[in-house]
Amino acid sequence: DQQVKQNSPSLSVQEGRISILNCDYTNSMFDYFLWYKKYPAEGPTFLISISSIKDKNEDGRFTVFLNKSAKHLSLHIVPSQPGDSAVYFCAASGGTNSGGSNYKLTFGKGTLLTVNP
Amino acid sequence: GAVVSQHPSWVICKSGTSVKIECRSLDFQATTMFWYRQFPKQSLMLMATSNEGSKATYEQGVEKDKFLINHASLTLSTLTVTSAHPEDSSFYICSASGTQGVGRTDTQYFGPGTRLTVL
Repeated sequence: DQQVKQNSPSLSVQEGRISILNCDYTNSMFDYFLWYKKYPAEGPTFLISISSIKDKNEDGRFTVFLNKSAKHLSLHIVPSQPGDSAVYFCAASGGTNSGGSNYKLTFGKGTLLTVNP
Repeated sequence: GAVVSQHPSWVICKSGTSVKIECRSLDFQATTMFWYRQFPKQSLMLMATSNEGSKATYEQGVEKDKFLINHASLTLSTLTVTSAHPEDSSFYICSASGTQGVGRTDTQYFGPGTRLTVL
């Protein structure tokens, strides 16, 4: 049972346009969501996150939107650049454990973004 | 900030040997470190969660005797693949979450990964 789903395995966008990457989740206990960017043969790089108490978080060209009722989040990249071409993973964590530092992440399968010059 | 390193970045070994992979948080203290493996074109699969000074918690289906994890300090965790076989060949990635410094407790910061090839 996949709790975090990225239904689009790939997305192709023209440079300068907006890239929209989508993610759906099924576990209502998830309360923190993250986006990571990954190049081949490298570890994921943290991009942006959002807590369930918010519906939007913006950092430069990256904005994450959260729709809790729909259990859906999206990452917007504006304007898209060729260097943004990578696999983007959506991840979620849920609840809190004692000590507050044990956040297991559940990852989606990723979306390959290609930004064409 | 929040830099995590892994060593080695790649390793090739013979079947039956053991391989140790190190994961270090360079600019923050990581009370929790995570070990993942990734198969080609697949998502990251969590193998185990380790807390400094205590035994690791393994995910279902992961052999604890085969994948030995030690988290001896707030900046270092090691994964030892014992008696490696070709099916253990994979990309192993660690991550760390912190309590102090630049590492947030609710965000995992990943190392660059280690490519293991078992002949």
